[in-house]
Amino acid sequence: AQTVTQSQPEMSVQEAETVTLSCTYDTSESDYYLFWYKQPPSRQMILVIRQEAYKQQNATENRFSVNFQKAAKSFSLKISDSQLGDAAMYFCAYRSGSNTGNQFYFGTGTSLTVIP
Amino acid sequence: GAVVSQHPSRVICKSGTSVKIECRSLDFQATTMFWYRQFPKQSLMLMATSNEGSKATYEQGVEKDKFLINHASLTLSTLTVTSAHPEDSSFYICSARGLQNNSPLHFGNGTRLTVT
Repeated sequence: AQTVTQSQPEMSVQEAETVTLSCTYDTSESDYYLFWYKQPPSRQMILVIRQEAYKQQNATENRFSVNFQKAAKSFSLKISDSQLGDAAMYFCAYRSGSNTGNQFYFGTGTSLTVIP
Repeated sequence: GAVVSQHPSRVICKSGTSVKIECRSLDFQATTMFWYRQFPKQSLMLMATSNEGSKATYEQGVEKDKFLINHASLTLSTLTVTSAHPEDSSFYICSARGLQNNSPLHFGNGTRLTVT
């Protein structure tokens, strides 16, 4: 099974500053999808951003962007101009690109604190 | 955007009783739904994959007779915790994926189960 590793259990950032959350994964596949999910205290899982492995260009969604390094199997999330509402657990997830690859593999999460 | 409705959001039951949790995809068809369990400050643990019209696929260590899953239609999956015990108290989250290969997981709001 694929593994997803988030090596930072906790991170903190000053409001308006930039923070990067790291994620690495292990796979032998060439076609797959990567995701970052946010889980605020409400515990609702919210999709932040996704990346298709076949795309070289890093995905961007407003203040959120990724640094996708396919060779290094790294998929970090950068949050710019951090806001108090960004405080949450962040989970990195992997899914196979094959039609039979239904399962999503989640990392252990990074708890992000935003300091006013 | 895609919406997944999970009900109830909170339930308290007595030991030995059964509890049913519903998961509905409101605006898309989901041939596959996933049921997760999440312990405090931990990642999501996949319990089972629910397939419309067929038996669910359970992860190792998950008792299929205790956690009954029914996926009767393309928009509804149910998880029934049978003969609940206090150790079954947890946060249960359902999710569904759209039919397109690059579709992300869309999550329900979760159910907080407390068994007394």
